[in-house]
Amino acid sequence: SQQGEEDPQALSIQEGENATMNCSYKTSINNLQWYRQNSGRGLVHLILIRSNEREKHSGRLRVTLDTSKKSSSLLITASRAADTASYFCATGTQKLVFGTGTRLLVSP
Amino acid sequence: DVKVTQSSRYLVKRTGEKVFLECVQDMDHENMFWYRQDPGLGLRLIYFSYDVKMKEKGDIPEGYSVSREKKERFSLILESASTNQTSMYLCASSYPLAGATDTQYFGPGTRLTVL
Repeated sequence: SQQGEEDPQALSIQEGENATMNCSYKTSINNLQWYRQNSGRGLVHLILIRSNEREKHSGRLRVTLDTSKKSSSLLITASRAADTASYFCATGTQKLVFGTGTRLLVSP
Repeated sequence: DVKVTQSSRYLVKRTGEKVFLECVQDMDHENMFWYRQDPGLGLRLIYFSYDVKMKEKGDIPEGYSVSREKKERFSLILESASTNQTSMYLCASSYPLAGATDTQYFGPGTRLTVL
């Protein structure tokens, strides 16, 4: 029962450019989270945005949430090679449902 | 920092073998989860546990069982491994916040190959 769908599936950019990933979900949510996964590793929590928030920032990350469109976006500004990873959105409370992820490649 | 460890990073087993994947967390989290991750399918929940000796099926429990005898340890068992269980297995834990969203903390994963 996949809740989130990320778009694009893959994204390739140069260092210094911004990267934008989108997530769409199907049902009403209380919160939405974004996670990062480096190749072959576990997921790491990046940021959580609540349903009553429209935008949230954390360092070079900016997340927006549009509950009317059931969508969220993750913007990474001034990308670095170390940002190369897969990014997942997740919805739910105790039991999370993850999207299929966006693979980001940042080239030096 | 929360630490979630998994017993093996890579594992190769034969069809029909009984396989144990162990997960240990050190932050006294009530919730623990087992996922499998396959290309194009994202993370799919196999089983989860909200407390010791408590377990609930996730989305794809067939062919798997779990055990949680102690709060910090959650084991995933493949009773008779099959080739379609070749996958990356991820364990996670979280502390339940009533009425809120829990952040899950993941282990490094176990890449299981069943020959």
